[in-house]
Amino acid sequence: EVQLVQSGAEVKKPGESLKISCKGSGYRFTSYWIGWVRQMPGKGLEWMGIIYPGDSDTRYSPSFQGQVTISADKSFNTAYLQWSSLKASDTAMYYCARLNGDHFDYWGQGTLVTVSS
Amino acid sequence: QSALTQPASVSGSPGQSITISCTGTSSDVGSYNLVSWYQQHPGKAPKLMIYEGSKRPSGVSNRFSGSKSGNTASLTISGLQAEDEADYYCCSYAGSSTFGVVFGGGTKLTVL
Repeated sequence: EVQLVQSGAEVKKPGESLKISCKGSGYRFTSYWIGWVRQMPGKGLEWMGIIYPGDSDTRYSPSFQGQVTISADKSFNTAYLQWSSLKASDTAMYYCARLNGDHFDYWGQGTLVTVSS
Repeated sequence: QSALTQPASVSGSPGQSITISCTGTSSDVGSYNLVSWYQQHPGKAPKLMIYEGSKRPSGVSNRFSGSKSGNTASLTISGLQAEDEADYYCCSYAGSSTFGVVFGGGTKLTVL
């Protein structure tokens, strides 16, 4: 069974750094791209970027380029999304999802990130 | 890339059929038959319902169907059931040299 399990909710202050994770199981982790999707409170889905764990090739949405860093450790079947300096506007639910060609077929349960002073 | 345009809300009674539209441009929906649809219940992760325009993943009811005409894709749900009440998002491949997708703004389906 394909599963993506994300790390737990985080509460941070503006300016702090953060790295959240997404661990895949039940399939060959290095053979599929993993994407990250943001959902701000009460809003829709926004694609942030994707990574190919096999070689760490990474592509970013223009809206998120330079704002976040996506990485992966294939030894641990885990992808990461990180911020170096959080802003209040980063408060959102973040989902990882497996990219199967052109669509996201399996999703993690989501990680809620709250940034507040 | 601008978000795809979906109606904010649609509604229908149990047993009826509804259609949710998703309008893009000739750079995304119009150029590729690669539209996917996701269902999201409150507090839950999105779930893939339709991919490549009209294909259903294993386990998804055949009451869900997808189609496309020009720059507009559509999701039709027939035989509405209470459990179908959720938010629905379309998503289209948008090409680019580095890969790109664009989501719609989402549609809230209310089953009356």
